[in-house]
Amino acid sequence: GNSVTQMEGPVTLSEEAFLTINCTYTATGYPSLFWYVQYPGEGLQLLLKATKADDKGSNKGFEATYRKETTSFHLEKGSVQVSDSAVYFCALSGDNYGQNFVFGPGTRLSVLP
Amino acid sequence: EAQVTQNPRYLITVTGKKLTVTCSQNMNHEYMSWYRQDPGLGLRQIYYSMNVEVTDKGDVPEGYKVSRKEKRNFPLILESPSPNQTSLYFCASSLTGPVSGYTFGSGTRLTVV
Repeated sequence: GNSVTQMEGPVTLSEEAFLTINCTYTATGYPSLFWYVQYPGEGLQLLLKATKADDKGSNKGFEATYRKETTSFHLEKGSVQVSDSAVYFCALSGDNYGQNFVFGPGTRLSVLP
Repeated sequence: EAQVTQNPRYLITVTGKKLTVTCSQNMNHEYMSWYRQDPGLGLRQIYYSMNVEVTDKGDVPEGYKVSRKEKRNFPLILESPSPNQTSLYFCASSLTGPVSGYTFGSGTRLTVV
C-alpha cells in the first residue's frame, strides 16, 4: 500500500537558517504529493502540492519538487522565521478517493530567535 | 470567509453517553472527511463522503457513524463513546477529493472518562 516517510523531529533551527525536511514515499502509479502545516492549536493547512513528476510546488517561501526517480518530495525554505514553528506533514494521494490518501507522521520544527 | 467549522472545540463526556460533533463547510465542496489525530499514530481517516448520501469507511471506522444529508454538513456520531476514543478530531473538506487539497477545521478535543 501507499506510505510516506518523513525525517524524525524535532528540528530546531535559528532564525534565517536554511530548512530541509525530507519526505519519501511508496506508491503505485502516479500519486499527487502535498505538504500540510499545523500551527499550535489549529487544524492543518495546505502549504503546497505537486501533481506530477518534476513539478515544483511553492508557497510562503517554501518549495518542494516532485522527484519520481528518488520517490521524494523534500520541503525547503531558504530563511526560516520564528513564525514558521509548526508541525509539517508530507502526504500523498493515490487517487481522488479517501482510501489512498496517506499522511506522514509529521516533523516538528522549532525556530529560535 | 471560506472555512470548515467544527463544534464543539472541547468536550469531556462519560463512557456510553451518545454525542455528536458537528462539521459544516461554506465552500460548496463535494468531498468531506473525518480524521483523528493521536500521538505516535498520526492522522487516521475515520469516514469520508464523496457527495450527498454517499459515505464510506476510512481506516478506523469502528465506533463511529456519519451522515451526509446535505452538502455542507457532515456530523460525526459516537453512539457509545469509550475511553479509547479520546482524541483530537478534525473535519476536512475538499472541492472534489483529496487531490484538490483539503481545508481543515480547527479540531475538537474529545475526552471520554
